[in-house]
Amino acid sequence: EVQLVESGGNLIKPGGSLRLSCVGSGFTFSNAWISWVRQAPGKGLEWVGRIKSKPDGGTTDYAAPVTGRFTISRYDSENKVFLQMNNLKTEDTAIYYCATGLFFDYWGQGTLVTVSS
Amino acid sequence: DIQMTQSPSTLSASIGDRVTITCRASQSISTWLAWYQQKPGHAPNLLIYKASTLQSGVPSRFSGSGSGTEFTLTISSLQPDDFATYYCQHYNSYSPYTFGQGTKVDIK
Repeated sequence: EVQLVESGGNLIKPGGSLRLSCVGSGFTFSNAWISWVRQAPGKGLEWVGRIKSKPDGGTTDYAAPVTGRFTISRYDSENKVFLQMNNLKTEDTAIYYCATGLFFDYWGQGTLVTVSS
Repeated sequence: DIQMTQSPSTLSASIGDRVTITCRASQSISTWLAWYQQKPGHAPNLLIYKASTLQSGVPSRFSGSGSGTEFTLTISSLQPDDFATYYCQHYNSYSPYTFGQGTKVDIK
């Protein structure tokens, strides 16, 4: 069974940093493209960024609102992808999901990030 | 970046109704389009990819069509489990992804 589990969400002050983790199981993690998608309270889905598998270059892409502040990395030996979030803003408050694939056939349950003073 | 516009934003319907949701892209995206269903408190669930391919396990009352800039998601006969919010998404391997703003289907 494919599973994705996010962790690391917390209450953080504006300007702070946070690192989210996504752990996968039940599939060949090293071959998977992993994206982060967020959802602000009561709002729609917003794609945050993606990391390709290392066989496909391991490159990353980001949405404009997070470019230069967020970084995605992967640690395939532990089936993990990380989302490093720096210089957090109140508008980054959201549930953060990780999801697999070119289109997202599997999703985690999400982790809540609240940016507030 | 490519913009995706869904309509309507909210749709009220009854059990058994045929429901159609439209998604328009700001430029041609061929058939690089997916549809998701999301229920409150849950992660989204993939329904359709490549504009018209039904994801495994998704009921056949769901169908997708379109190419280029205009796409539709159709529910042939609305069931109680289908009251949810639906999102379209443009995807590809070389540029940012974009979601539509969502269409909430509620009970009439």
